[in-house]
Amino acid sequence: ETGVTQTPRHLVMGMTNKKSLKCEQHLGHNAMYWYKQSAKKPLELMFVYNFKEQTENNSVPSRFSPECPNSSHLFLHLHTLQPEDSALYLCASSQDRISYEQYFGPGTRLTVT
Amino acid sequence: GQQVMQIPQYQHVQEGEDFTTYCNSSTTLSNIQWYKQRPGGHPVFLIQLVKSGEVKKQKRLTFQFGEAKKNSSLHITATQTTDVGTYFCAGTGGSARQLTFGSGTQLTVLP
Repeated sequence: ETGVTQTPRHLVMGMTNKKSLKCEQHLGHNAMYWYKQSAKKPLELMFVYNFKEQTENNSVPSRFSPECPNSSHLFLHLHTLQPEDSALYLCASSQDRISYEQYFGPGTRLTVT
Repeated sequence: GQQVMQIPQYQHVQEGEDFTTYCNSSTTLSNIQWYKQRPGGHPVFLIQLVKSGEVKKQKRLTFQFGEAKKNSSLHITATQTTDVGTYFCAGTGGSARQLTFGSGTQLTVLP
C-alpha cells in the first residue's frame, strides 16, 4: 500500500543462524533506511543509504550487516544475533535524505531464541 | 546529540474528547514531521512543518510548529476510535544529518 515491501514479515531464528531481511521500494526514491523498533523505545535509526552509498551507521553491532545493491533494494544480513535483538525491523525510503517524508514498509517481526 | 522528547507517553480519552501530544527538541529544528502508527502497523507520514509558527490542519488534526522551532504539537479535536495509535514526531536540525524520532504518544480512544 505504501510502495515499500518487506520480506519476511515474521522471522524466528536461533542465535547461531544466519538470515537476511529484504526491502524493496517501488517509489523511485534515492534514500533507504533501516530502523529498529523495540517495545517502549523510540524508533532507532540503524543505517542510511543515499544513492546506494551508506551515509549513516549509528553504532550498530557488526552482527547486523546492510547491503544496498541498487536504489530500490535494501538488505539486512543477520548473524549470531542475541535475544535482545528481537524487535520490529522497519525499512523506509524517501526521495532524498533528511528533509523528505519517509515511507515505511510493514516491517519484519524478528524473534531471536 | 539531538534529542526529541514527546509527552505524554500514553493518553486515554473518551471518544469525542480532544487530544494533544507535545514534542520538544534539545536543538533548533529545520523541520518537523509527524507520523501515525496504528496497532500492529507501521509509521505513516502525516505532515511536515518547516516555518516558524506554522500551523497546518488536516480535518480534525491541527499541527503547530513553535516560534523558536524547538517544539511542536498535534491536536485532535473530537477523537474517534479510528484515531487510535501511536503518534510520533520526528525532526531534523542542528548538527544532526538525520531524522530523529520522538518516543511517541500512544493514544487509546474509549468508545
